[in-house]
Amino acid sequence: GESVGLHLPTLSVQEGDNSIINCAYSNSASDYFIWYKQESGKGPQFIIDIRSNMDKRQGQRVTVLLNKTVKHLSLQIAATQPGDSAVYFCAENRDTGNQFYFGTGTSLTVIP
Amino acid sequence: DGGITQSPKYLFRKEGQNVTLSCEQNLNHDAMYWYRQDPGQGLRLIYYSQIVNDFQKGDIAEGYSVSREKKESFPLTVTSAQKNPTAFYLCASIEGDGLRVRGYTFGSGTRLTVV
Repeated sequence: GESVGLHLPTLSVQEGDNSIINCAYSNSASDYFIWYKQESGKGPQFIIDIRSNMDKRQGQRVTVLLNKTVKHLSLQIAATQPGDSAVYFCAENRDTGNQFYFGTGTSLTVIP
Repeated sequence: DGGITQSPKYLFRKEGQNVTLSCEQNLNHDAMYWYRQDPGQGLRLIYYSQIVNDFQKGDIAEGYSVSREKKESFPLTVTSAQKNPTAFYLCASIEGDGLRVRGYTFGSGTRLTVV
């Protein structure tokens, strides 16, 4: 399944399936992006980052894809596990900026 | 272990009162940030400080105040001028020029409720 992260949508997947979480960013000058995972009642944690000179970056079970033409970012989670249940945020930064701007997040629920 | 400690975890405030949220880090990070998180919304920047005794307003600074007297500490005061203070507050920090290297390290947050 997949979802667009603009109004805290929800995404439910079966354990073991792959998840795709999408994010549309706002500023064409943004050139560094991070995906964060936030579990209930906790602060966000870094998952993976990507710079604008790349289209794809892989981590452990996660892949981030960047499409600068349409200002779109996606996070793919392979073999989704119950521990992956959380809210996922994308964040963008511009080289001249000293803060990140966050999307509204997508709530992922993994069904055992 | 190094990290960011926010306290208290839950805070209740009566209308018209000021409250101060604590944020302490032992990471030796230079820059510290305060974000506000509301349901269904992304994080919004309140204030940030890149060095001791200096801080800048973020996008939603009205009704808030901060101080940075020590590198380790960046307390946030929610004043009575903040009309809708009920939210989850997150403190974050970055080492030196590390904004574009893995971004923020976040604390575990303080949930403020006005009663």
